[in-house]
Amino acid sequence: GAGVSQTPSNKVTEKGKYVELRCDPISGHTALYWYRQSLGQGPEFLIYFQGTGAADDSGLPNDRFFAVRPEGSVSTLKIQRTERGDSAVYLCASSLNEGEQFFGPGTRLTVL
Amino acid sequence: KQEVTQIPAALSVPEGENLVLNCSFTDSAIYNLQWFRQDPGKGLTSLLLIQSSQREQTSGRLNASLDKSSGRSTLYIAASQPGDSATYLCAVNSGNTPLVFGKGTRLSVIA
Repeated sequence: GAGVSQTPSNKVTEKGKYVELRCDPISGHTALYWYRQSLGQGPEFLIYFQGTGAADDSGLPNDRFFAVRPEGSVSTLKIQRTERGDSAVYLCASSLNEGEQFFGPGTRLTVL
Repeated sequence: KQEVTQIPAALSVPEGENLVLNCSFTDSAIYNLQWFRQDPGKGLTSLLLIQSSQREQTSGRLNASLDKSSGRSTLYIAASQPGDSATYLCAVNSGNTPLVFGKGTRLSVIA
């Protein structure tokens, strides 16, 4: 079956602009996670959804970052007033209940 | 706060060699431990999942072990091939919670 998909694969934007990153989880997976990976580092947690609600958003770095999952499937990560330090690969993962997490290919965000 | 450490940070071996990658975690109250592979510029591919009640999992040439009480896991790769060259990441969580990752081991298998 289809895995986790993320769009766009690459996004280049200018400092101060607004961006949206999309994640399509595996069908039927109730849990959805966003992570951020900087060069040479492991992924770091941003936010986790169980169904439509954010169960844990403690990893969001500041209030410029926000994510939604209105119908319990697709999720959008939104970043306002982007800064150069936001440049990273943004990874999405989904899982069924407490099981194995499956990752998408990521979105590489570059803020100029 | 859970912390995950992977040793070594980088490893270069000749083709055909058996090798071991190490992962340690500070809080033994884990639910799942996952090993991932990441190719340059790509996402993460799940290799093996070990639940806390299990001691090891095997898939092909890969074998992962878990010693929860000592906070350690190892990934054993048998008869390494150039195609195994990638970064290997270890991650743990507690129940349906986010994974905490190590920084990875960058493996190069030389033909």
